[in-house]
Amino acid sequence: DGGITQSPKYLFRKEGQNVTLSCEQNLNHDAMYWYRQDPGQGLRLIYYSQIVNDFQKGDIAEGYSVSREKKESFPLTVTSAQKNPTAFYLCASRPQGDFTDTQYFGPGTRLTVL
Amino acid sequence: AQSVTQLDSQVPVFEEAPVELRCNYSSSVSVYLFWYVQYPNQGLQLLLKYLSGSTLVKGINGFEAEFNKSQTSFHLRKPSVHISDTAEYFCAVSRGGTGFQKLVFGTGTRLLVSP
Repeated sequence: DGGITQSPKYLFRKEGQNVTLSCEQNLNHDAMYWYRQDPGQGLRLIYYSQIVNDFQKGDIAEGYSVSREKKESFPLTVTSAQKNPTAFYLCASRPQGDFTDTQYFGPGTRLTVL
Repeated sequence: AQSVTQLDSQVPVFEEAPVELRCNYSSSVSVYLFWYVQYPNQGLQLLLKYLSGSTLVKGINGFEAEFNKSQTSFHLRKPSVHISDTAEYFCAVSRGGTGFQKLVFGTGTRLLVSP
């Protein structure tokens, strides 16, 4: 089955630690995105990547980093510089040649900082 | 820049009743409009989208939405809801086109269906 997978589903982190969230897709999509979701705030864009080895900051990139070494993978690292990292993180991808920006989402990772 | 307003943070409704979730957008150019649904602790699933053509768009699970350009609205409707429709619904807008075009989300409306 084609789709987007995110792991782990739940993640706990101590303050001061970096943590990496995984996002993998086998849809052959070029573009991939990371969003942060907080209650009552909708989704906010952290980073996006339109092709391999290229990525751009979104609206709330501070305290986060990404890499895009393979088309299928777009991991997100939440660094200790992120002041309030507890949130639900969603990865998405967009089909090749889709100019409507229709995005397809993974199941999400809930990160809790202890 | 585009923006999306979902006026209702929560909509309670009884099972088998009709429901309308409101979405208004602002944009100085033509846009594409989307509705996504999110069940608890899950990702977002595309319900329907308006790209062009007929202003009434039908989606999955019996939902439909009507694009109204003069009122800059894209309200989501279902004639008879089920308990399983309890979820959060997000309206989103995009300018589309080549290159990066940001998908802008509203803050969501929680639909609560009770027996």
